[in-house]
Amino acid sequence: DPKIIQKPKYLVAVTGSEKILICEQYLGHNAMYWYRQSAKKPLEFMFSYSYQKLMDNQTASSRFQPQSSKKNHLDLQITALKPDDSATYFCASSQERGGEQYFGPGTRLTVL
Amino acid sequence: GQQVQQSPTSLVLQEGENAELQCNFSTSLNSMQWFYQRPGGSLVSVFYNPSGTKQSGRLTSTTVIKERRSSLHISSSQITDSGTYLCAMAYNYAQGLTFGLGTRVSVFP
Repeated sequence: DPKIIQKPKYLVAVTGSEKILICEQYLGHNAMYWYRQSAKKPLEFMFSYSYQKLMDNQTASSRFQPQSSKKNHLDLQITALKPDDSATYFCASSQERGGEQYFGPGTRLTVL
Repeated sequence: GQQVQQSPTSLVLQEGENAELQCNFSTSLNSMQWFYQRPGGSLVSVFYNPSGTKQSGRLTSTTVIKERRSSLHISSSQITDSGTYLCAMAYNYAQGLTFGLGTRVSVFP
């Protein structure tokens, strides 16, 4: 059974729309993260949460908003979508901050 | 900001050959991890190794903090080792990981 679930697997959106990417982890971890991987670029860290509190935000845009409704959930809301937002978005978790991170399968977002 | 340099960019191996992948960091680190990225894109943690040497089967990771480098050694490569290997580090516990661009390994019979 997958321990980190990301939904949907694929997502196509139109410019200007809003989408929510879902992440749930069943590892009992206390820290969760979002990363983004665009073509030809390294994986890029976006947010880190620990015990449902924001620890670090490395995104320059307020269009990206993480949402943690439960301890094992960390969703990512993206508003006013742009073609440059097209990427694979990975959710990850670790037992505590600074620990070994485990990644979900990713959501591939395409913005037309 | 922190930078992570991986070398080589790509590697072609005949099955059974050994290989060494390198990772260099621009700052000191608190966390260091090697990942294998499958052709389909999913990431698998290979080693969590902030310092010292760790071995798992045919894979060995060595991190030398003072020299700001880590290596991943693959012995007796197999076709199933083909894929991209990523190294990543964090310099404090609040931060996420900073990734390198990866080494693409191709193993042929």
